[in-house]
Amino acid sequence: ETVMTQSPVTLSVSPGERATLSCRASQSVYSNLAWYQQKPGQAPRLLIHGASTRATGIPARFSGSGSGTEFTLTISSLQSEDFAVYYCQQYNNWPPSITFGPGTRLEIK
Amino acid sequence: QVQLQESGPGLVKPSETLSLTCTVSGGSLRTYYWTWIRQPPGKGLEWIGYIFDNGNTNYNSSLKSRVTISLDTSKNQFSLNLTSVTAADTAVYYCARRVGDFWGQGILVTVSS
Repeated sequence: ETVMTQSPVTLSVSPGERATLSCRASQSVYSNLAWYQQKPGQAPRLLIHGASTRATGIPARFSGSGSGTEFTLTISSLQSEDFAVYYCQQYNNWPPSITFGPGTRLEIK
Repeated sequence: QVQLQESGPGLVKPSETLSLTCTVSGGSLRTYYWTWIRQPPGKGLEWIGYIFDNGNTNYNSSLKSRVTISLDTSKNQFSLNLTSVTAADTAVYYCARRVGDFWGQGILVTVSS
């Protein structure tokens, strides 16, 4: 099973600043990596798939990069609505076995 | 716009079977695969399994012995059965399309006597 880790556990950033979240896979998942945003009481929302492709309707301030085992989600200029928990997810192989990272909580500094 | 909605009992007794249904509207079950994911209170996300439109399934190895996912294309629904539940199965259960491009709102299922 591919184990996903995320860092940091909690990230404190001021509105308007840049946030960089990291995700690592225990083995290569190529570009089969997605990022989700989850706010309290809500279902996760897909932000990025294929490591770097924004999902429909996702603002351009969200960008994903990386391949293999190291991935990054960058939010270029934080808005108040961006403070949430972010999960990475791998879906490598076919049919894919899916695993999630433990999440990074992005909080207001 | 595809919409998903989970339904089923919010309380299940230990050792019994948890049964949930996901109703899909605004799109067909065909072409895609359909997923169940859960989230214990205050914790992270765990993939349970998914079913293809041809009925083939793939399950999380840690739950495989207790999980069955099935499809009813005539009703545009897919379902989850989880047997022999314990308190550790208490969670919000989500249905989703594919790996998660569309999600239901989730349903809290509590396992308690």
